Amino acid sequence: EAQVTQNPRYLITVTGKKLTVTCSQNMNHEYMSWYRQDPGLGLRQIYYSMNVEVTDKGDVPEGYKVSRKEKRNFPLILESPSPNQTSLYFCASSFSDSYEQYFGPGTRLTVT
Amino acid sequence: GDSVTQMEGPVTLSEEAFLTINCTYTATGYPSLFWYVQYPGEGLQLLLKATKADDKGSNKGFEATYRKETTSFHLEKGSVQVSDSAVYFCALFSGNTPLVFGKGTRLSVIA
Repeated sequence: EAQVTQNPRYLITVTGKKLTVTCSQNMNHEYMSWYRQDPGLGLRQIYYSMNVEVTDKGDVPEGYKVSRKEKRNFPLILESPSPNQTSLYFCASSFSDSYEQYFGPGTRLTVT
Repeated sequence: GDSVTQMEGPVTLSEEAFLTINCTYTATGYPSLFWYVQYPGEGLQLLLKATKADDKGSNKGFEATYRKETTSFHLEKGSVQVSDSAVYFCALFSGNTPLVFGKGTRLSVIA
């Protein structure tokens, strides 16, 4: 089954404790992206990757890191999480010349 | 830069009512336009699309027409169901940047 998976689905952590949210897709997509969704602000892009070893900042990259060592994986790293990073996070992927993005189920992160 | 503006919600309708969710855009060139839907507890999924002016996208009873003269792509459905309750996102793709999303409109349909 074609899908984008994210882990964990729910995470509660404390300020400053490094964490990684994994994202994996099985559709051989070149393009992958991370978004955060907050009430009243909609979806905001954090980082995206056009292909392996190619990443670029989105609208709200501060406090986040990403890497793209393999085509299927695109982890999101929070080196020192803060409460303002409490949000719902989505990973998405698509072919590079396509507009149709496939979204993961989301990761709800709470930073206390 | 490119942007999408859609009506703020929430929108609450009775079952079988007519739905319109407004969406307007600003873009250079000739973007493709989309509506994505997010059902409760899930990620977004593509609902319909239109890639050039005057195109009409349709799916699951929803329709939207690409109006270049008014830079709009309003979503409509003639008779909503409880199962249509979701958040709807208008989006555009101009080819040289990632998808640009509107802020989303929450629809609640009551029986």
